[in-house]
Amino acid sequence: EIVLTQSPGTLSLSPGERATLSCRASQSVSSNSLAWYRQKPGQAPRLLIYGASSRATGIPDRFSGSGSGTDFTLTISRVEPEDFAVYYCQQYSSSPGTFGQGTKVEIK
Amino acid sequence: QVQLVESGGGVVQPGRSLRLSCAASGFMFSNYDMHWVRQAPGKGLEWVAVVRYDGINKYYADSVKGRFTISRDNPKNTLYLHMTSPRAEDTAIYYCARANWSIYGWFDPWGQGTLVTVSS
Repeated sequence: EIVLTQSPGTLSLSPGERATLSCRASQSVSSNSLAWYRQKPGQAPRLLIYGASSRATGIPDRFSGSGSGTDFTLTISRVEPEDFAVYYCQQYSSSPGTFGQGTKVEIK
Repeated sequence: QVQLVESGGGVVQPGRSLRLSCAASGFMFSNYDMHWVRQAPGKGLEWVAVVRYDGINKYYADSVKGRFTISRDNPKNTLYLHMTSPRAEDTAIYYCARANWSIYGWFDPWGQGTLVTVSS
């Protein structure tokens, strides 16, 4: 089973700042089979990025994903108020698909 | 629009059973593999189970294997999770989600979730 480790655990930022979230895999994630989700308080997760760098339908371009192999990054170019939430990465290159433990982006 | 709506959650005593449902609409349900994912209070996401598009092959997390059963009714566009012998550690919000691209592909959409509380 591939273990995903997200860092940092918490990221404290002001609106308008840049956010950089990391997701590291215990072994290589083939075909860039990695997704990112945002979960606002009291809501279900929502898909942001799939295939490591493809934005899901309706996701604004301030969100971008990059990386390959074992190291992946989600970048929010300018954090908006609705972006203060928890972010999860997920790998789907091998069964079972696994999630990282999450990174919380909070208001500084 | 593409939508998943869960129901059936509530308080269940340890050792009893409970069945969750997930009603799908807005897409060809019978073409997709479907999953249950859960989230314990204040914790992260944990994959629970998957059923292939045709309902034949099913796979489970070790934590629920032998106790939970995933199934689907394609003519009714509905996914199920039958929970038997629940434990306190099964207390969580249960989400259904559609897999894309492969059996363990990215999840989109997700339902709004249904809360299961295991307590005597």
